[in-house]
Amino acid sequence: EPEVTQTPSHQVTQMGQEVILRCVPISNHLYFYWYRQILGQKVEFLVSFYNNEISEKSEIFDDQFSVERPDGSNFTLKIRSTKLEDSAMYFCASRIQIIETQYFGPGTRLLVL
Amino acid sequence: GESVGLHLPTLSVQEGDNSIINCAYSNSASDYFIWYKQESGKGPQFIIDIRSNMDKRQGQRVTVLLNKTVKHLSLQIAATQPGDSAVYFCAESGNNAGNMLTFGGGTRLMVKP
Repeated sequence: EPEVTQTPSHQVTQMGQEVILRCVPISNHLYFYWYRQILGQKVEFLVSFYNNEISEKSEIFDDQFSVERPDGSNFTLKIRSTKLEDSAMYFCASRIQIIETQYFGPGTRLLVL
Repeated sequence: GESVGLHLPTLSVQEGDNSIINCAYSNSASDYFIWYKQESGKGPQFIIDIRSNMDKRQGQRVTVLLNKTVKHLSLQIAATQPGDSAVYFCAESGNNAGNMLTFGGGTRLMVKP
């Protein structure tokens, strides 16, 4: 069964450093998402992406965040200058069309020191 | 002081019993609802969904009930098994450009053998 994959599974970085989190959505999906989950809290929406542009973003997704689909398979989330409060699990999700279910990847655990 | 994290409500059931997990939502415009299961250290896993034009949908061992009048969603798991132990989140999606999901706070289901 096709799955969303994410790399790396864990990332430790120093405050102020840039990180890039990578996702490979399910191959025939057209809509892509990033969510995050701070330890012990609920999953929060960050950004949605369709047709090579952001379709919606949350207040969390400020100028330090950016997303890109550099080729036909990868979908990346970049945090330019990480802060301690960026420590969280970051989940990528994809869906085939606008009314269908979003399928989540296993997540990347980001720890900012 | 600042809240460290959510205190998840916990439902503890005996193996073989039925489980009912409840969720209240606030957005009257939401028209699509999903239940996700999240095991420790993993991403949300789709269980079942329901659209707002329905009030009940059944899957394998799971049933979702939607009461739009009181904005309430429930997940029923029949013959609960130890493998069902996880945190369960409801999520809703409304009429927004990116069809982002808004997650509820989650319920921890513990199945006693």
